[in-house]
Parts: sequence; structure tokens; C-alpha cells
Amino acid sequence: EVQLVQSGADVKKPGESLKISCRASGYTFTNYWIGWVRQMPGKGLEWMGIIYPGDSDTKYSPSFKGQVTISADKSLSTAYLHWGSLKASDTARYYCARHPNWGSPDYFDYWGQGIQVTVSS
Amino acid sequence: EIVLTQSPGTLSLSPGERATLSCRASPSVDSRYIAWYQQKAPQAPRLLIYGASVRATGIPDRFSGSVSGTDFTLTISRLEPEDFAVYFCQQYGGPITFGGGTKVEIK
Repeated sequence: EVQLVQSGADVKKPGESLKISCRASGYTFTNYWIGWVRQMPGKGLEWMGIIYPGDSDTKYSPSFKGQVTISADKSLSTAYLHWGSLKASDTARYYCARHPNWGSPDYFDYWGQGIQVTVSS
Repeated sequence: EIVLTQSPGTLSLSPGERATLSCRASPSVDSRYIAWYQQKAPQAPRLLIYGASVRATGIPDRFSGSVSGTDFTLTISRLEPEDFAVYFCQQYGGPITFGGGTKVEIK
């Protein structure tokens, strides 16, 4: 059974760093793209970027390029989303999700449960 | 960037009624590259439809997707109590974008 389990929910202060994770199981991690999606309170979904764990090829939405870093650890079957310096506007729920096909862009067939990140002084 | 505009913002219907949700792409997108999701906050979105009209595994056949030009439609033939939720369209013909969502609420 394919599962994406997220961890790293936190309350942070502006300027602090944070890395949240998405651990995959039930399939070959290196063969499928994993993306990150933001949902701000009461709002819609925003695609942030995506990584192919097999070779770490990464694509970012222009809106998020330079604001976050996406990475993956093949040995742990885990993808990460990292902020070097959080802002209050980063307060949102973050989801990881998997593309079912080889190419990207694509739709998402499996999603993590989501992680709430709150940035407040 | 391909902008997806969903309408209406909110749909108030009763169980058993038919729901018709619209998603318009500008500029146009290949109809093969549209997906629909259902979300019940605070749960993750659930894939319903991909390729504009292909139901995902396990999705009941009361959900159907169609396309006419740049307009994409998700139809729920007879609303069940568990169908009241927010629905998003997504395009993947270019850098991924999502529509703003349609909330289907109980009338």
C-alpha cells in the first residue's frame, strides 16, 4: 500500500529555519516524482515544486523559487521541504504528493496527510 | 502561467441532486491534462478524475468529468451526504496550477 507520511509540524518564529519531511512507503521511492503543495488558511492549493528522487532533478514554481529548498534522501525514502528563514506569510498547511507516471508535470495520485506550519512572533 | 477559474464559488444543493462544477482554463490547456480533486478539510485532497474524464481507482461512477473547448466540467450525478466538500481542478499541461475551488454545501 502506497503511503506518504509527513512529519515536522511546528510553531516557529520569523527568521527561524524549518525542514519538514515526507516518508514514502509501499513503492519504489526513486521511480516517482514527489511534489509539495501549499494551502494557506481557508485558501486553495498552490504547487510549490517537485523532485525526482532517482537523480534529484528538481523543479520549482516561480512563486517559490529561492524561497524554499526541496530535497530527497534515497536511503530513507524521504523527501524534504526546507526554509532557511521563515516569514509569517509561510503559515499554511503543506502537503506532499506523488505523480503516478514517469514524467512531470502530472497529476497527484497519493497525498500525505498534510503538516501545519505556523510562523508567529 | 495557465490560470484555472472555477465556478460557482459555492453550490448549495440537497442530497440526491445533481452537481455541475466548472473549470475554465486561460490560456487553453490540452484536455488530457486536467484532474479533479475532492477535499474535506483538514484532510488531504483525494484524486477523483484525471485526463479530464478518467475516474481514479475506487471513485464511484456518480462522478464524471467532461470537456468542451476550454471548459472542463465535473458532474456528480446524485449527491450523497459524503460528497459535500470542496472540489479543485488542476492542470498539468504546463507548470502545475490549481483552480480556486468550488464548495458544495448542503442546502
